[in-house]
Amino acid sequence: QSVLTQPPSVSGAPGQRVTISCTGSSSNIGAGYDVHWYQQLPGTAPKLLIYGNSNRPSGVPDRFSGSKSGTSASLAITGLQAEDEADYYCQSYDSSLSVSFGGGTKLTVL
Amino acid sequence: QVQLVQSGAEVKKPGSSVKVSCKASGGTFSSYAISWVRQAPGQGLEWMGGIIPIFGTANYAQKFQGRVTITADESTSTAYMELSSLRSEDTAVYYCARDANDLSSSGISYYFDYWGQGTLVTVSS
Repeated sequence: QSVLTQPPSVSGAPGQRVTISCTGSSSNIGAGYDVHWYQQLPGTAPKLLIYGNSNRPSGVPDRFSGSKSGTSASLAITGLQAEDEADYYCQSYDSSLSVSFGGGTKLTVL
Repeated sequence: QVQLVQSGAEVKKPGSSVKVSCKASGGTFSSYAISWVRQAPGQGLEWMGGIIPIFGTANYAQKFQGRVTITADESTSTAYMELSSLRSEDTAVYYCARDANDLSSSGISYYFDYWGQGTLVTVSS
């Protein structure tokens, strides 16, 4: 059972907007630790998508955005494209001195 | 360009140990923390622990305490993860990942900007 909770799956049609939630607790997200997001395409290593709650690394399209509020965070993807079909993971740090990941969300582009 | 290249796939018997390597190139090895993350088949990501090569200090997730050892060799820019007392549930792809912050100028960021390609460890009798 993951420390951070994500929906197992989300879906959307091309061009639509989808959001993926990430719910933590007072010992991780709620304690002020940043949330980061990774995209994992099938058979590949995770790729950093959003860092520091809402920052995009160079090369990540601005269709991807992140936000954080209280003990939760969200990843939004606008203008959905077929190539966005992947698993998405949120990640934070925990007061137990441990890195925590969400269970992952599978995005299906209809 | 930073690259993390991991050792090849392993097949191990229950009760044995495995040691996976992660060789860094294209950047300064010593001042970036390296973590190990594993992913069981069809499952999510699980942080196992990390090391700061310049200090040689490692910290481990509670779940793996006593069973995992993470080390680093600055002379070869290589990090290692050894997992002992293997059981079938340890079958997974093991990734090394580099912390995003250079410790010579800032603290640990606890997020990862570069990842190795992954090493499949299969535990089977």
